[in-house]
Amino acid sequence: DIVLTQSPDSLAVSLGERATINCKSSQNLLSGSDSRNYLAWHQQKPGQPPKALIYWASARQSGVPDRFSGSGSGTNFTLTINSLQAADVAVYYCQQHYSAPITFGQGTRLEI
Amino acid sequence: EVQVVESGGDLVRPGGSLRLSCTASGFTFSACWMHWVRQAPGKGLEWVAIIKGDGSQISYVDSVKGRFTISRDNAKRSLYLQMDSLRDDDTALYYCAKGAGYVIDFWGQGTLVTVSS
Repeated sequence: DIVLTQSPDSLAVSLGERATINCKSSQNLLSGSDSRNYLAWHQQKPGQPPKALIYWASARQSGVPDRFSGSGSGTNFTLTINSLQAADVAVYYCQQHYSAPITFGQGTRLEI
Repeated sequence: EVQVVESGGDLVRPGGSLRLSCTASGFTFSACWMHWVRQAPGKGLEWVAIIKGDGSQISYVDSVKGRFTISRDNAKRSLYLQMDSLRDDDTALYYCAKGAGYVIDFWGQGTLVTVSS
C-alpha cells in the first residue's frame, strides 16, 4: 500500500500570511503514461465533512479559490494557502488516487 | 446541485450486520465511480471501498475484505455498503463520496455506525 506522510502535524499561521503543508509518498505518484501526478488534497473544517480541493497535484476543484494551490511531483507534494483567512481553519488531508487501496495522509491541523 | 445523502447508520453489536445507503442527485450517477470512506471518532480518513459506474470494478481496503460488500442500483441512483461481522474498530462516521475514477470530488455528510456491546 502507498503510505502518505504529512508534515507538520499541526501549524499556526497568522491571518493574511501563507501556510504550507507537505505530503510525502512512499511510492512515485507520477504516471509514466500520462505524466500526471495522482495526488489530491481535501479540507475538513470542524464538525463538517471533507471538501475536495485539488486533484492531479495542482488542479483545483470547481469553486475552490485560487488562494489554494498544489505543487510537487513524484513523491513530494505541497499544498499552499495564500492570504490565510479565518475560514481556512481546518484539517487538511492529502490522498493518493494512483492505485487501490486509496490512502490518505494522517492530516495536518491548521490554526490561526 | 450535487448531493449525496447517507443513511442506515446505527448502534450494532459486535458480530452484527448493517446496510448503509447513499442516495445521489444532481449528477449522472451511472457514469460516476462511487466511494465509501470512514472516519473513526477523532481520527483521520480511511478509504473503505470503490465501485465503478457500471458496477464492473470493485475494490476494498484489506481490513474489510470478506466482511463488507459495496453495490449500487443505478435505476434508484443509490449506493450501498453491506457490513457483516462488524467489529469494534468499524465504529466510524461513514461517508459516501462521488468520484471521477479514484479522484474523490464530492463528499456526503456521513452516517454514524457504532459497534458496541
